[in-house]
Amino acid sequence: DTGVSQNPRHKITKRGQNVTFRCDPISEHNRLYWYRQTLGQGPEFLTYFQNEAQLEKSRLLSDRFSAERPKGSFSTLEIQRTEQGDSAMYLCASSLDGTGGVNGYTFGSGTRLTVV
Amino acid sequence: QQQVKQSPQSLIVQKGGISIINCAYENTAFDYFPWYQQFPGKGPALLIAIRPDVSEKKEGRFTISFNKSAKQFSLHIMDSQPGDSATYFCAASLTGRRALTFGSGTRLQVQP
Repeated sequence: DTGVSQNPRHKITKRGQNVTFRCDPISEHNRLYWYRQTLGQGPEFLTYFQNEAQLEKSRLLSDRFSAERPKGSFSTLEIQRTEQGDSAMYLCASSLDGTGGVNGYTFGSGTRLTVV
Repeated sequence: QQQVKQSPQSLIVQKGGISIINCAYENTAFDYFPWYQQFPGKGPALLIAIRPDVSEKKEGRFTISFNKSAKQFSLHIMDSQPGDSATYFCAASLTGRRALTFGSGTRLQVQP
């Protein structure tokens, strides 16, 4: 399967615990994005990487959230001291962009986080 | 504020009918307008996209109509099929940015 892979698919955690999600993008894609989607809403942008550099972060990405993309390959998204409001689907996407702007993303199937 | 407003929230169409979903935006600097299709338990998948230099783009049964002066764009699904039943999101992005701003989604149900 050459799509975007996200693990785990589901995560249930107690409030206050830390969680980490992993995303493996399509191998030749140089850009990687994290979005959050709550029930009945569209995805909201969190952050994006070009290769290993984190180039943009949304205001939604509080200091409890951190994302990394070591060596420009897979990425991790960590949430510290989880809160019930963090319950959502966390989507990863990747793309291969030239200089012409945004091309279509390929999204993964997401990690559904439930904070109890 | 960067916002994309989508309507209707839900839509029921008979098989073979035309499904129409509308989006409106505020920021005239948006220059890329994709539509995504999402099935339950899956991530969104790119369906079709348009840039503001054209007024219409057609791919198979899917057509985007774009009205730059009204700051509106719409998705038309011709000959709608039960397999088209999904949630559809419009989105937009700014020149030089990589982030997409999504609408709130339209849940389409095509009845056989």
